[in-house]
Amino acid sequence: RKEVEQDPGPFNVPEGATVAFNCTYSNSASQSFFWYRQDCRKEPKLLMSVYSSGNEDGRFTAQLNRASQYISLLIRDSKLSDSATYLCVVNSGGSNYKLTFGKGTLLTVNP
Amino acid sequence: NAGVTQTPKFQVLKTGQSMTLQCAQDMNHEYMSWYRQDPGMGLRLIHYSVGAGITDQGEVPNGYNVSRSTTEDFPLRLLSAAPSQTSVYFCASSPAGVGQIYTFGSGTRLTVV
Repeated sequence: RKEVEQDPGPFNVPEGATVAFNCTYSNSASQSFFWYRQDCRKEPKLLMSVYSSGNEDGRFTAQLNRASQYISLLIRDSKLSDSATYLCVVNSGGSNYKLTFGKGTLLTVNP
Repeated sequence: NAGVTQTPKFQVLKTGQSMTLQCAQDMNHEYMSWYRQDPGMGLRLIHYSVGAGITDQGEVPNGYNVSRSTTEDFPLRLLSAAPSQTSVYFCASSPAGVGQIYTFGSGTRLTVV
């Protein structure tokens, strides 16, 4: 099992749609979980950290299920500007200084 | 604050040449890392450092060297460039501790011919 696996995508959705991304991780010692966003030919940028209690930031909601080793990201009322690749990121093997990235899921929001 | 600065942004090398990719951060972050990103592969860790004078190998270290003589700088050296090292390279830094956020540089696009 790969250390971090994401939905392969791509996702093509109309404006205003709700879209969900799923991610699983293999190392139960992992403590830090993130969703990063990467625009075409740009660097990854933090979208949100993911906490056990779940967290919300405007139209974005992240959930963590430690028992199932599963992370999700929900985008509501999607905008054209949400078009990007979404990366699931987990700290490796419990160490705080090494991150493991999923391969990313490309989202295109269409007018 | 400049954040994480990478130079150069673009580089073309011939097979066998050596070069250094520069990375500097002005946020006094303890952790710094180098990643490469290839199509269909995601970002993979090359080398990382948890502080000045301390470096270690990541997932794909072969063909690369690093050093960390200061907190601010973390250069990546390609010893003898190969076409397989054609990639986009990202440097990132983070404060120490659980859940800290990594900030990425804008990347270096390297082509080895």
